Amino acid sequence: RKEVEQDPGPFNVPEGATVAFNCTYSNSASQSFFWYRQDCRKEPKLLMSVYSSGNEDGRFTAQLNRASQYISLLIRDSKLSDSATYLCVVNIRGGAGTALIFGKGTTLSVSS
Amino acid sequence: DTAVSQTPKYLVTQMGNDKSIKCEQNLGHDTMYWYKQDSKKFLKIMFSYNNKELIINETVPNRFSPKSPDKAHLNLHINSLELGDSAVYFCASSQGQGSTNEKLFFGSGTQLSVL
Repeated sequence: RKEVEQDPGPFNVPEGATVAFNCTYSNSASQSFFWYRQDCRKEPKLLMSVYSSGNEDGRFTAQLNRASQYISLLIRDSKLSDSATYLCVVNIRGGAGTALIFGKGTTLSVSS
Repeated sequence: DTAVSQTPKYLVTQMGNDKSIKCEQNLGHDTMYWYKQDSKKFLKIMFSYNNKELIINETVPNRFSPKSPDKAHLNLHINSLELGDSAVYFCASSQGQGSTNEKLFFGSGTQLSVL
């Protein structure tokens, strides 16, 4: 089983739609969870951390289910500017420390 | 001021050559990383350094040698370049290890093309 798995998409939605992305992770000892956003030919940027109780930032809501080792991201009222690849990120222990492992990303395309 | 800067932005070279990519961060972070993003856009960790010490080496060929002269710099030297090394290499830093300290800040990437 891959460490972090995401549906690659693409998700093609109209402006104003609500869209949800899911992600599963294999390491039950993982403690940190994030969603990053990557625009074409750019570096990934942190979108939001994911907390156990779930958290919201404007139109974005992240949820964590530790029992099922599952993370989700919900985007409400999609904007054209939300078009990007969304990367699910989980920490794992390796060597003498921990590192953040990225999923392959889910591509979102929002059209007018 | 750019927080994490890496140079060069583009690197085109022949197979068999040796090349280096430099990375510097001015965030005062303790931990720095190299990630490789291949043509399928999969972002994979290569190395992690904490305060100049190597803490993660993810089965990268030993043609790749990271060097951290101080905690603000993490350079990547690649010997005997191969076609399969063509990718975008991202440097990143984080405040430290563990939960809230692990948020990554990325450089803008170095696109390496091996001909």
